[in-house]
Amino acid sequence: GENVEQHPSTLSVQEGDSAVIKCTYSDSASNYFPWYKQELGKGPQLIIDIRSNVGEKKDQRIAVTLNKTAKHFSLHITETQPEDSAVYFCAASWDNYGQNFVFGPGTRLSVLP
Amino acid sequence: DGGITQSPKYLFRKEGQNVTLSCEQNLNHDAMYWYRQDPGQGLRLIYYSQIVNDFQKGDIAEGYSVSREKKESFPLTVTSAQKNPTAFYLCASSRPITGGVTGELFFGEGSRLTVL
Repeated sequence: GENVEQHPSTLSVQEGDSAVIKCTYSDSASNYFPWYKQELGKGPQLIIDIRSNVGEKKDQRIAVTLNKTAKHFSLHITETQPEDSAVYFCAASWDNYGQNFVFGPGTRLSVLP
Repeated sequence: DGGITQSPKYLFRKEGQNVTLSCEQNLNHDAMYWYRQDPGQGLRLIYYSQIVNDFQKGDIAEGYSVSREKKESFPLTVTSAQKNPTAFYLCASSRPITGGVTGELFFGEGSRLTVL
């Protein structure tokens, strides 16, 4: 079955700097890759996703890149702000159905003022 | 506001006791899910339900049970058979996947269960 690894497990950046979180997956059949953000005491929330027919997707300060050959995808956050501090989870799935999502272990991002 | 409500937020249980976690949604979503979250691990699927009166085991269903008698409700029972029940439990729902809509998961705020 699918296995998703995520690095780093913790990341601290200065406010205004960029942050990059990388995930690798094992199943070449996976074609949907969402990223979820979990703020303290709350449930995760989808922030961006990408499909295998696209190499990059951007939404304001957040971007995701996908390298299907290498089986890895990354989350890029530019101009980080304190409210970006959270745990970020990547996931991989061979379809859009929630029961098939395989989540990475998460990255705790701290943005230092 | 539409959303998913989980209760209780914190729950303490003695060993050997069953406990039921509530999950209610007013998003009119057909699919609902229960995940378990442990420190340093990704979300792991316990049970899911695509329609009323039907549910399927996820990756770690042993020691848990669910019911889906109403579209809005998907309660999870943590039984005494669950060997390590202390964890953070998340309920989620998702829209039907039609017209290119992705399977975005909408999560509740979670229930933290501690077994004493």
